[in-house]
Amino acid sequence: EELLVESGGGLVQPGGSLKLSCSASGFSFSGSALHWVRQAPGKGLECVGRIRRKGENYATEYGASVKGRFTISRDDSKKTAYLQMNNLILEDTAVYFCAGDFLSGLYMDVWGKGTTVTVSS
Amino acid sequence: DIQMTQSPATLSASVGDRITISCRASQTIGDWLAWYQQKPGTAPRLLISEVSGLESGVPTRFSGRGSGTEFSLAISSLQPDDFATYYCQQLHTYPWTFGPGTKVAV
Repeated sequence: EELLVESGGGLVQPGGSLKLSCSASGFSFSGSALHWVRQAPGKGLECVGRIRRKGENYATEYGASVKGRFTISRDDSKKTAYLQMNNLILEDTAVYFCAGDFLSGLYMDVWGKGTTVTVSS
Repeated sequence: DIQMTQSPATLSASVGDRITISCRASQTIGDWLAWYQQKPGTAPRLLISEVSGLESGVPTRFSGRGSGTEFSLAISSLQPDDFATYYCQQLHTYPWTFGPGTKVAV
């Protein structure tokens, strides 16, 4: 069974940093792109960013609201992706999901359950 | 960014009803359109890819159609498990953007 598990969420003050992890099991991690998607309380879904597979040089792309503050990386040997979040603001408060295109090669077909990040003073 | 809109925002329905949710993109996205279902406290679930491709395990009462900028998701006979929020997503241009969601409620 394909499984993604996020960790690292918590309470952080504005201006602080946090690093989330997304660990995978049950499928080919290195051949897949990994996405981070967030959902603010009571709101819709927003793409934070993605990291492509090795064959695409691990290229990264980000949404405008986090560009320059967030960094996505991955360690295929550990089957883990990361989301480094710096200069956090109140509006970054959300559940952060990781998702991968493990089955389709493009669409977000496998999702983790999410980890909650709260930015508050 | 490509903007996605959905209508209605909330849809009141009953078991057995046929419902349709509309999704519009701010520019043409070809067939790069997916639909997700999300229930409270859980992650989204991919239902449909490439406008009309049903994912494995998704009941055949779900169907998608459209092209260019206008798309729709239909449920032919609503079941109790279908009460949820539905999101469309464009995959034409990154960042892939989602519609604001349509809540299907009793």
